[in-house]
Amino acid sequence: DTGVSQNPRHKITKRGQNVTFRCDPISEHNRLYWYRQTLGQGPEFLTYFQNEAQLEKSRLLSDRFSAERPKGSFSTLEIQRTEQGDSAMYLCASSYRVTGLHNEQFFGPGTRLTVL
Amino acid sequence: KQEVTQIPAALSVPEGENLVLNCSFTDSAIYNLQWFRQDPGKGLTSLLLIQSSQREQTSGRLNASLDKSSGRSTLYIAASQPGDSATYLCAPGNSGYALNFGKGTSLLVTP
Repeated sequence: DTGVSQNPRHKITKRGQNVTFRCDPISEHNRLYWYRQTLGQGPEFLTYFQNEAQLEKSRLLSDRFSAERPKGSFSTLEIQRTEQGDSAMYLCASSYRVTGLHNEQFFGPGTRLTVL
Repeated sequence: KQEVTQIPAALSVPEGENLVLNCSFTDSAIYNLQWFRQDPGKGLTSLLLIQSSQREQTSGRLNASLDKSSGRSTLYIAASQPGDSATYLCAPGNSGYALNFGKGTSLLVTP
């Protein structure tokens, strides 16, 4: 068990460019979550997957954001036409969902995005 | 919308003290509550998970309690150490998937 991994760890981009982040969950975890954290705030939920199905999206996830989890393994989060307000830490988490039990979420190290 | 408040916002204590971090939330219809620590510029490390049917959980020097009906949780840290310095985040889960976070308590333990 190597934990949740995220790549890249840091990304600097110019306004208007597209960026893509990757998250590899703990193996056999069937749930995967994306959160966003800005300086001085707690993380905010963006979206989650159960296996390959995206089951919920926050209203924070504008049309410029898209997330995928092909084959229920790793996930990608793409931001199109980045804006300076997108600058934040993007955190991925995973958990194993068992019926009737709400399991612990384990977080990755995050990807810090800076939009110039 | 779940609102989570953590008090105090910041705390500085000398090494060896026992301390209590407080978390309150407005919607008591939660499935569970997790406590995390976050070191500067890093991801979150899960400390304790309390299911809604439980009253407390313990791990080493940490003890977390949950009073769901009053919308409160506390994290007790015994015999604090400089390595405990971090931001501590409380996160109740209402939906069965999304966690709702407070702004955290920034803890500094001085030698």
